[in-house]
Amino acid sequence: AQSVAQPEDQVNVAEGNPLTVKCTYSVSGNPYLFWYVQYPNRGLQFLLKYITGDNLVKGSYGFEAEFNKSQTSFHLKKPSALVSDSALYFCAVRDLTSGTYKYIFGTGTRLKVLA
Amino acid sequence: NAGVTQTPKFQVLKTGQSMTLQCAQDMNHNSMYWYRQDPGMGLRLIYYSASEGTTDKGEVPNGYNVSRLNKREFSLRLESAAPSQTSVYFCASSGGLGTYEQYFGPGTRLTVT
Repeated sequence: AQSVAQPEDQVNVAEGNPLTVKCTYSVSGNPYLFWYVQYPNRGLQFLLKYITGDNLVKGSYGFEAEFNKSQTSFHLKKPSALVSDSALYFCAVRDLTSGTYKYIFGTGTRLKVLA
Repeated sequence: NAGVTQTPKFQVLKTGQSMTLQCAQDMNHNSMYWYRQDPGMGLRLIYYSASEGTTDKGEVPNGYNVSRLNKREFSLRLESAAPSQTSVYFCASSGGLGTYEQYFGPGTRLTVT
């Protein structure tokens, strides 16, 4: 079965420091991977995706993610965190084995950037 | 271009009451989805519609029904609400040409007493 894991419920980082939010996946075949951000009382917003190609993917708001096939990981990164980055982050994978168009989400990681 | 819209934003129901959550998208996407979000559980798929005219169950379909009214609209119905259905409900769409990401509505916060 395909799955996504976000091992940390919360990540705290000081403003200006680099941040990493972890995601690992288990899929059959080549994964389609996504990161979304959710601000309080809002819907999820798409940040970036990996479909194929370069393992380092750049996205919105200065975020990037590194696809590592051998470690089955897709960690979200940012070189210098902002207080405004504080939000809930979700990793997701598209379920390709079912022949449909479903997506599987992790349980989310709350990022808190401290001033 | 409004993206994905949902109505209502908030709703309080008594146990046993029924209601329909409405969702519409203006991005000409083929696929639409209904999720519920509960603390510590991430997003769980209730139902989805891969294309107009088709619907399929997701991870937690019990107690819900859906209708894909046309390409733009996808509604979620609770026939007899239960306190366990207290949650935040999100509609999403995907399937633009060459893209795979989902676009989400602002959510409906439902409380069942």
